[in-house]
Amino acid sequence: DAGVIQSPRHEVTEMGQEVTLRCKPISGHDYLFWYRQTMMRGLELLIYFNNNVPIDDSGMPEDRFSAKMPNASFSTLKIQPSEPRDSAVYFCASSITGGAGGELFFGEGSRLTVL
Amino acid sequence: DAKTTQPPSMDCAEGRAANLPCNHSTISGNEYVYWYRQIHSQGPQYIIHGLKNNETNEMASLIITEDRKSSTLILPHATLRDTAVYYCIVRAIYNTDKLIFGTGTRLQVFP
Repeated sequence: DAGVIQSPRHEVTEMGQEVTLRCKPISGHDYLFWYRQTMMRGLELLIYFNNNVPIDDSGMPEDRFSAKMPNASFSTLKIQPSEPRDSAVYFCASSITGGAGGELFFGEGSRLTVL
Repeated sequence: DAKTTQPPSMDCAEGRAANLPCNHSTISGNEYVYWYRQIHSQGPQYIIHGLKNNETNEMASLIITEDRKSSTLILPHATLRDTAVYYCIVRAIYNTDKLIFGTGTRLQVFP
């Protein structure tokens, strides 16, 4: 099993540009999560999906952020327009169960730098 | 979900047991205790979880007090590769799968 796959691993862009981060969850997993990590705020949950449907997007910072999951094997997190304060490591995670044994498997993250 | 309190940092000599404490005094009966760790620049990694009984797996042991208000993660023989931030998280059984991470304990294993 390849695990959760994220791309790109590193992204450097200029303020105002659109950024798209991609995630492929582990096959068969029905939950997908997007987290953001910064030194100041730690690990923050942005949004999560169950069976491709967004369940809780209360962590999405503002309308510049959007996430989609068009099918069970792919999700995107888009920032438009990007700002320097969006610089962070973005993690995607997936899990298979909705119960207490639902271990989350994380990808290696996408490090975003907005200049 | 109940709040957890962990020391910000700890040191441990290589080969010795690392005992990482976590307080969760407001935990309720339907909440599990989870431990994850994050090695520098990597995604968080699941370690272990439990409800009220002590648990052990190939990575660690989890000791939960009888009143469930605190727990200890034990790495029996710490290695340099165990240097990481360790997160203790409480999550309700009926809740969705989301995990809310706190600030964790930064464990430094030294030679």
